[in-house]
Amino acid sequence: NAGVTQTPKFQVLKTGQSMTLQCAQDMNHNSMYWYRQDPGMGLRLIYYSASEGTTDKGEVPNGYNVSRLNKREFSLRLESAAPSQTSVYFCASSEQGGIPTGELFFGEGSRLTVL
Amino acid sequence: AQSVAQPEDQVNVAEGNPLTVKCTYSVSGNPYLFWYVQYPNRGLQFLLKYITGDNLVKGSYGFEAEFNKSQTSFHLKKPSALVSDSALYFCAVRDINQAGTALIFGKGTTLSVSS
Repeated sequence: NAGVTQTPKFQVLKTGQSMTLQCAQDMNHNSMYWYRQDPGMGLRLIYYSASEGTTDKGEVPNGYNVSRLNKREFSLRLESAAPSQTSVYFCASSEQGGIPTGELFFGEGSRLTVL
Repeated sequence: AQSVAQPEDQVNVAEGNPLTVKCTYSVSGNPYLFWYVQYPNRGLQFLLKYITGDNLVKGSYGFEAEFNKSQTSFHLKKPSALVSDSALYFCAVRDINQAGTALIFGKGTTLSVSS
């Protein structure tokens, strides 16, 4: 099993450009998440989807949009990239969002640089 | 609001010595607590969790953590450190009364084990 797969692994954008980070999981998990990791800041939640058809804002949603395309896929879109969005982005999934006992399974990360 | 604090940015320990990585939390109700480890250029990996029951939780790679409700702490421990334990460690918390919410992560503690 691949687990959680993120694409692309690396991306360089110019300010104002748009892009979509793709995430897919093959574990039949209900919940999916997007986090960003910045030095000294830990992981901060951008958006999450507790179940197919629902999405909710996390701690730092500004400048991002998400789509839960189906149970497997959860994409993160930057409409107009800014240098402050330079970060490492992690997608994660978990079995049950409503009963939060399950651990998260993470992808390998997508390293985004905005010039 | 939920929060988690890791008071040490870095912990240094000699191989063979015991290690402790500290974590304190704040939730309105009872917590679900987790530890994750991140190796360079990789995603986070689950180590262990506390949901209910015994205050001492055992996890992967010989790690354990002690839940202390009165001190609102969940410190990660290992009796004998290995050089290969060197990594970035994250504590995370979830409020069991907040259905559908995601994990909140601390800022991380870098563990450096010297030979």
